[in-house]
Amino acid sequence: KNEVEQSPQNLTAQEGEFITINCSYSVGISALHWLQQHPGGGIVSLFMLSSGKKKHGRLIATINIQEKHSSLHITASHPRDSAVYICAGTGNQFYFGTGTSLTVIP
Amino acid sequence: NAGVTQTPKFQVLKTGQSMTLQCAQDMNHEYMSWYRQDPGMGLRLIHYSVGAGITDQGEVPNGYNVSRSTTEDFPLRLLSAAPSQTSVYFCASRYTGTGANVLTFGAGSRLTVL
Repeated sequence: KNEVEQSPQNLTAQEGEFITINCSYSVGISALHWLQQHPGGGIVSLFMLSSGKKKHGRLIATINIQEKHSSLHITASHPRDSAVYICAGTGNQFYFGTGTSLTVIP
Repeated sequence: NAGVTQTPKFQVLKTGQSMTLQCAQDMNHEYMSWYRQDPGMGLRLIHYSVGAGITDQGEVPNGYNVSRSTTEDFPLRLLSAAPSQTSVYFCASRYTGTGANVLTFGAGSRLTVL
């Protein structure tokens, strides 16, 4: 059983659309991370949150502790947002979701 | 700061060959780790270290060795490469004190074992 499950696996959007990626996690995870991986590139951390909501530019991350659920929203999506988005939970170790591959079409 | 530096970026090996993936960080992070990334799977922990002289196994340690002689360096050794070790490898480090425990990743090393 995976400690972290994310959906959808693949997502295609038109430029300008509002995008949501979801992540569910199991008991024992104290914080939730959102990571971004560009094709052929490394992995960068976007957000770490254990409660509430965080915003950075057009990216918003929310977490509902009671429901053990987090979402990553992208407003006014742009082709440069095309990447794989990974959620990861922190417990004793980092537990990674399998990633959501996002393609934003101009 | 250079962050986390991984080398080489690409490597092709024949079955049975050995090699070392290098990882260095200049952020004085105590925690360092190696992950492999395979299609359709999340990042999987191979080995990790919480400080110089201390290493431990992760989820998929078989076929890999590590050592941590300094805070800065955490090399990953493949003693006898197998095709199943074809993957993209990431080194990552983080601060272990109070505060944000965000992982900082290296750029990745793509390994192909023929």
